[in-house]
Amino acid sequence: EDQVTQSPEALRLQEGESSSLNCSYTVSGLRGLFWYRQDPGKGPEFLFTLYSAGEEKEKERLKATLTKKESFLHITAPKPEDSATYLCAVAGTGGSYIPTFGRGTSLIVHP
Amino acid sequence: ETGVTQSPTHLIKTRGQQVTLRCSSQSGHNTVSWYQQALGQGPQFIFQYYREEENGRGNFPPRFSGLQFPNYSSELNVNALELDDSALYLCASMGSSYEQYFGPGTRLTVT
Repeated sequence: EDQVTQSPEALRLQEGESSSLNCSYTVSGLRGLFWYRQDPGKGPEFLFTLYSAGEEKEKERLKATLTKKESFLHITAPKPEDSATYLCAVAGTGGSYIPTFGRGTSLIVHP
Repeated sequence: ETGVTQSPTHLIKTRGQQVTLRCSSQSGHNTVSWYQQALGQGPQFIFQYYREEENGRGNFPPRFSGLQFPNYSSELNVNALELDDSALYLCASMGSSYEQYFGPGTRLTVT
């Protein structure tokens, strides 16, 4: 059974204070690891897909990296508008392309 | 390109009643998934449809059922509502790299 654990559960940063969110996963063969952003009361918004260890993807102040056991979402010089819950999900090679989600990290960036 | 839409936005039902939630997939996407998200939790997979056939099912009882139509729109039906069914229900269509594009969700409250 695929498993995803995200840490920390909550993170408070000052504007400009860089940090990283962690996603540890267990999967029998990785089809893809996905990062999403979710604002309160809204559906998750797709950010990145990573397929293999060593891969990196960037979008504005966000950079996602992948190893064989975990992924990091690095946030460089965050702004208050980066405040959201960040979700990680994995899809394994067993059967359908059905992702397993973690519980998310709630990020608050103070001005 | 039209995104994923869901209706209604909010719904209040009484325990024991039945509810139907609707979703229109993103243009060109033939795979749709439904998720239940409780407050502070990650999305929990309910089921997935591919070209009108159920393609996978999560750990939800049979009173959760679905349909996908030839135009790839979809319905989630829940019978005999229970208080614990109160949640945000998310529909997602799958892109070419297995990423999920979510709708805004339907907030269901069962009293």
